[in-house]
Amino acid sequence: QQPVQSPQAVILREGEDAVINCSSSKALYSVHWYRQKHGEAPVFLMILLKGGEQKGHEKISASFNEKKQQSSLYLTASQLSYSGTYFCGTPGDFNKFYFGSGTKLNVKP
Amino acid sequence: DVKVTQSSRYLVKRTGEKVFLECVQDMDHENMFWYRQDPGLGLRLIYFSYDVKMKEKGDIPEGYSVSREKKERFSLILESASTNQTSMYLCASSRNTEDTEAFFGQGTRLTVV
Repeated sequence: QQPVQSPQAVILREGEDAVINCSSSKALYSVHWYRQKHGEAPVFLMILLKGGEQKGHEKISASFNEKKQQSSLYLTASQLSYSGTYFCGTPGDFNKFYFGSGTKLNVKP
Repeated sequence: DVKVTQSSRYLVKRTGEKVFLECVQDMDHENMFWYRQDPGLGLRLIYFSYDVKMKEKGDIPEGYSVSREKKERFSLILESASTNQTSMYLCASSRNTEDTEAFFGQGTRLTVV
Protein backbone atom coordinates (compact mmCIF):
# COMPACT_ATOMS: atom_id res chain seq x y z
CA GLN A 1 0.00 0.00 0.00
CA GLN A 2 3.06 2.22 -0.22
CA PRO A 3 2.35 5.26 -2.45
CA VAL A 4 4.56 5.82 -5.47
CA GLN A 5 6.60 9.02 -5.77
CA SER A 6 8.30 10.63 -8.75
CA PRO A 7 10.88 11.75 -9.58
CA GLN A 8 13.37 10.00 -7.33
CA ALA A 9 15.74 12.97 -7.36
CA VAL A 10 15.79 16.58 -8.53
CA ILE A 11 18.66 19.06 -8.79
CA LEU A 12 17.73 22.74 -9.00
CA ARG A 13 19.36 26.14 -8.96
CA GLU A 14 18.04 28.67 -6.46
CA GLY A 15 14.92 30.33 -7.81
CA GLU A 16 13.88 27.43 -10.03
CA ASP A 17 10.66 25.47 -9.62
CA ALA A 18 10.01 21.78 -9.02
CA VAL A 19 7.03 19.46 -8.86
CA ILE A 20 6.96 16.22 -6.88
CA ASN A 21 4.25 13.69 -7.58
CA CYS A 22 2.61 11.04 -5.44
CA SER A 23 0.11 8.42 -6.54
CA SER A 24 -1.75 5.59 -4.88
CA SER A 25 -3.46 2.45 -6.10
CA LYS A 26 -6.29 2.89 -3.61
CA ALA A 27 -8.88 5.57 -2.95
CA LEU A 28 -7.52 8.26 -0.66
CA TYR A 29 -9.10 10.32 2.07
CA SER A 30 -5.98 12.43 2.49
CA VAL A 31 -2.38 12.88 1.38
CA HIS A 32 0.33 14.09 3.74
CA TRP A 33 3.67 15.66 2.85
CA TYR A 34 6.87 15.66 4.96
CA ARG A 35 10.42 16.89 4.45
CA GLN A 36 13.50 15.30 5.94
CA LYS A 37 16.81 17.11 6.07
CA HIS A 38 19.99 15.07 6.22
CA GLY A 39 20.48 13.51 9.64
CA GLU A 40 17.16 14.78 10.97
CA ALA A 41 13.68 13.38 11.52
CA PRO A 42 10.95 14.00 8.92
CA VAL A 43 8.97 17.16 9.57
CA PHE A 44 5.35 17.77 8.67
CA LEU A 45 4.61 20.12 5.76
CA MET A 46 0.94 19.76 4.96
CA ILE A 47 -2.14 17.59 4.68
CA LEU A 48 -4.53 17.67 1.75
CA LEU A 49 -7.98 16.34 2.47
CA LYS A 50 -10.73 15.00 0.29
CA GLY A 51 -13.05 17.88 -0.46
CA GLY A 52 -10.29 20.43 -0.85
CA GLU A 53 -9.31 21.34 2.71
CA GLN A 54 -5.61 21.83 3.40
CA LYS A 55 -3.71 22.05 6.64
CA GLY A 56 -0.14 23.08 7.15
CA HIS A 57 2.67 25.08 5.63
CA GLU A 58 1.43 28.35 4.17
CA LYS A 59 4.38 28.86 1.84
CA ILE A 60 4.14 25.51 0.08
CA SER A 61 1.40 24.66 -2.37
CA ALA A 62 0.05 21.29 -3.37
CA SER A 63 -2.84 19.69 -5.18
CA PHE A 64 -4.91 16.58 -4.56
CA ASN A 65 -6.84 14.87 -7.33
CA GLU A 66 -9.15 12.47 -5.52
CA LYS A 67 -10.39 10.77 -8.66
CA LYS A 68 -6.91 10.04 -9.95
CA GLN A 69 -5.64 9.25 -6.44
CA GLN A 70 -2.73 11.61 -7.02
CA SER A 71 -1.12 14.55 -5.29
CA SER A 72 1.55 16.99 -6.40
CA LEU A 73 3.78 19.24 -4.31
CA TYR A 74 4.83 22.51 -5.95
CA LEU A 75 8.09 24.11 -4.85
CA THR A 76 8.34 27.51 -6.50
CA ALA A 77 11.26 29.94 -6.46
CA SER A 78 13.25 27.34 -4.54
CA GLN A 79 15.64 28.33 -1.78
CA LEU A 80 18.69 26.52 -0.43
CA SER A 81 16.64 25.64 2.65
CA TYR A 82 14.27 23.56 0.49
CA SER A 83 16.94 20.88 0.06
CA GLY A 84 16.08 17.54 1.60
CA THR A 85 14.06 14.43 0.93
CA TYR A 86 10.32 14.83 0.48
CA PHE A 87 7.93 12.06 1.39
CA CYS A 88 4.25 11.73 0.73
CA GLY A 89 2.18 9.63 3.09
CA THR A 90 -1.27 8.10 2.84
CA PRO A 91 -3.60 6.39 5.33
CA GLY A 92 -4.04 2.68 4.80
CA ASP A 93 -6.34 0.00 6.11
CA PHE A 94 -6.94 -0.34 9.87
CA ASN A 95 -5.42 3.06 10.69
CA LYS A 96 -2.02 2.23 9.28
CA PHE A 97 0.01 4.92 7.56
CA TYR A 98 2.33 4.47 4.58
CA PHE A 99 5.07 6.64 3.11
CA GLY A 100 6.43 6.77 -0.40
CA SER A 101 10.03 6.05 -1.32
CA GLY A 102 10.96 9.73 -1.23
CA THR A 103 12.19 12.43 -3.62
CA LYS A 104 15.62 13.86 -2.96
CA LEU A 105 15.75 17.58 -3.75
CA ASN A 106 19.09 19.35 -4.02
CA VAL A 107 18.98 23.14 -4.45
CA LYS A 108 22.29 24.67 -5.49
CA PRO A 109 23.37 28.32 -5.34
CA ASP B 1 7.01 21.46 22.90
CA VAL B 2 5.70 18.10 21.71
CA LYS B 3 8.10 15.23 21.69
CA VAL B 4 8.78 11.74 20.49
CA THR B 5 11.93 10.40 22.06
CA GLN B 6 13.86 7.33 20.99
CA SER B 7 16.14 5.78 23.56
CA SER B 8 19.31 5.63 21.46
CA ARG B 9 20.65 7.61 18.53
CA TYR B 10 23.27 5.03 17.57
CA LEU B 11 23.43 1.34 18.45
CA VAL B 12 25.87 -1.43 17.53
CA LYS B 13 24.82 -5.02 18.23
CA ARG B 14 26.13 -8.47 17.41
CA THR B 15 24.36 -10.99 15.20
CA GLY B 16 21.96 -13.09 17.22
CA GLU B 17 21.49 -10.59 20.04
CA LYS B 18 18.04 -9.56 21.19
CA VAL B 19 17.67 -5.81 20.63
CA PHE B 20 15.18 -3.40 22.17
CA LEU B 21 14.42 -0.02 20.63
CA GLU B 22 12.31 2.22 22.84
CA CYS B 23 10.07 5.10 21.87
CA VAL B 24 8.17 7.45 24.18
CA GLN B 25 5.71 10.20 23.24
CA ASP B 26 4.26 12.89 25.50
CA MET B 27 1.23 13.90 23.41
CA ASP B 28 -1.26 11.25 24.57
CA HIS B 29 -1.50 9.95 21.00
CA GLU B 30 -3.37 6.73 20.31
CA ASN B 31 -1.34 5.75 17.26
CA MET B 32 2.33 4.84 17.29
CA PHE B 33 4.43 3.49 14.44
CA TRP B 34 7.80 1.93 13.75
CA TYR B 35 9.37 2.52 10.35
CA ARG B 36 12.58 1.37 8.81
CA GLN B 37 14.42 3.76 6.48
CA ASP B 38 16.82 2.48 3.82
CA PRO B 39 18.24 4.40 0.83
CA GLY B 40 15.89 4.32 -2.15
CA LEU B 41 13.17 2.49 -0.25
CA GLY B 42 11.71 5.34 1.76
CA LEU B 43 10.00 4.68 5.06
CA ARG B 44 8.64 1.16 5.32
CA LEU B 45 6.12 0.33 8.01
CA ILE B 46 7.21 -2.46 10.36
CA TYR B 47 4.49 -2.38 13.02
CA PHE B 48 1.72 -0.11 14.16
CA SER B 49 -0.24 0.23 17.41
CA TYR B 50 -3.57 2.01 17.80
CA ASP B 51 -4.03 1.43 21.53
CA VAL B 52 -2.39 -0.13 24.55
CA LYS B 53 -1.67 -3.80 23.93
CA MET B 54 -3.04 -3.52 20.37
CA LYS B 55 -0.76 -3.97 17.38
CA GLU B 56 -0.92 -4.56 13.67
CA LYS B 57 1.73 -5.79 11.26
CA GLY B 58 3.00 -3.46 8.60
CA ASP B 59 4.69 -4.38 5.35
CA ILE B 60 7.91 -5.85 6.79
CA PRO B 61 7.22 -7.40 10.22
CA GLU B 62 9.44 -10.48 9.78
CA GLY B 63 12.15 -10.67 12.41
CA TYR B 64 10.51 -7.99 14.56
CA SER B 65 7.99 -7.84 17.37
CA VAL B 66 6.54 -4.94 19.35
CA SER B 67 5.21 -4.17 22.78
CA ARG B 68 2.87 -1.45 23.98
CA GLU B 69 2.17 -1.86 27.67
CA LYS B 70 1.55 1.86 28.28
CA LYS B 71 0.00 4.43 25.97
CA GLU B 72 3.11 6.58 25.82
CA ARG B 73 5.64 3.83 25.11
CA PHE B 74 6.07 1.64 22.04
CA SER B 75 8.98 -0.77 21.85
CA LEU B 76 10.43 -2.51 18.82
CA ILE B 77 12.15 -5.83 19.47
CA LEU B 78 14.57 -7.62 17.19
CA GLU B 79 14.32 -11.18 18.45
CA SER B 80 17.65 -12.29 16.96
CA ALA B 81 19.45 -9.47 15.20
CA SER B 82 20.83 -10.12 11.73
CA THR B 83 23.07 -8.03 9.49
CA ASN B 84 20.19 -7.30 7.09
CA GLN B 85 18.48 -5.45 9.93
CA THR B 86 21.19 -2.80 9.88
CA SER B 87 19.20 0.34 9.17
CA MET B 88 17.76 3.61 10.46
CA TYR B 89 14.67 3.04 12.62
CA LEU B 90 12.13 5.82 13.08
CA CYS B 91 9.31 5.94 15.58
CA ALA B 92 6.29 8.19 15.01
CA SER B 93 3.04 9.01 16.75
CA SER B 94 -0.20 10.67 15.71
CA ARG B 95 -3.71 11.30 16.99
CA ASN B 96 -5.21 9.84 13.86
CA THR B 97 -3.92 8.93 10.41
CA GLU B 98 -6.47 10.84 8.35
CA ASP B 99 -6.21 14.52 9.14
CA THR B 100 -3.56 15.09 11.80
CA GLU B 101 0.19 15.23 11.46
CA ALA B 102 2.61 12.60 12.65
CA PHE B 103 5.53 13.47 14.91
CA PHE B 104 8.80 11.61 14.56
CA GLY B 105 11.58 10.69 16.91
CA GLN B 106 15.16 11.51 15.99
CA GLY B 107 15.82 7.97 14.76
CA THR B 108 18.06 5.12 15.87
CA ARG B 109 20.82 4.05 13.53
CA LEU B 110 21.32 0.36 14.26
CA THR B 111 24.35 -1.51 13.02
CA VAL B 112 24.41 -5.30 13.38
CA VAL B 113 27.87 -6.81 13.08
